[in-house]
Amino acid sequence: DQQVKQNSPSLSVQEGRISILNCDYTNSMFDYFLWYKKYPAEGPTFLISISSIKDKNEDGRFTVFLNKSAKHLSLHIVPSQPGDSAVYFCAAPNNTDKLIFGTGTRLQVFP
Amino acid sequence: NAGVMQNPRHLVRRRGQEARLRCSPMKGHSHVYWYRQLPEEGLKFMVYLQKENIIDESGMPKERFSAEFPKEGPSILRIQQVVRGDSAAYFCASSPAGGGLSTEAFFGQGTRLTVV
Repeated sequence: DQQVKQNSPSLSVQEGRISILNCDYTNSMFDYFLWYKKYPAEGPTFLISISSIKDKNEDGRFTVFLNKSAKHLSLHIVPSQPGDSAVYFCAAPNNTDKLIFGTGTRLQVFP
Repeated sequence: NAGVMQNPRHLVRRRGQEARLRCSPMKGHSHVYWYRQLPEEGLKFMVYLQKENIIDESGMPKERFSAEFPKEGPSILRIQQVVRGDSAAYFCASSPAGGGLSTEAFFGQGTRLTVV
């Protein structure tokens, strides 16, 4: 049962433009969401998070939006840079604090 | 403050051998989580441990896999009689006592297991 879904396996964006990565979830009990960034041969690194009491959280070029009624969140990166090219995972902790991850979206930012 | 340390980074085993993966959490962290990433897939939860206790092993295969986090030393993920399907990247994450993963979790660089 995939409780966190990232339906786009890949995304290609030109440098300077906006990247939008999407994530859907099925468990209405989730109340906290995290985005992780992963480079090849490295572990995931935390990027940004959002609590369900908010609908937006911004950190520099990264903004996460949460739509609880639609059980949908998105990560916006603007402006996109070549160094942003990586796999992005959406995740949520369940009631026992284990992180449930989506399958990831591979972002490629080209010049 | 060193991050989460995993070793070895790469491990090659023949079918039927045992694989031992080690994870040293960040200093001051007493909660450890193991995840597995199969090729072209996301990160799948395997097991959650605190010192000397297994809290949640719902993601662990019932056979051949075991994990421990002793009072002293690193957490160990052990896979007995490895098969080709065990080939994957295994990631460990740690968090502070009581912090769970509702804040950022710190991941190690992973161990890439290849079974030949």
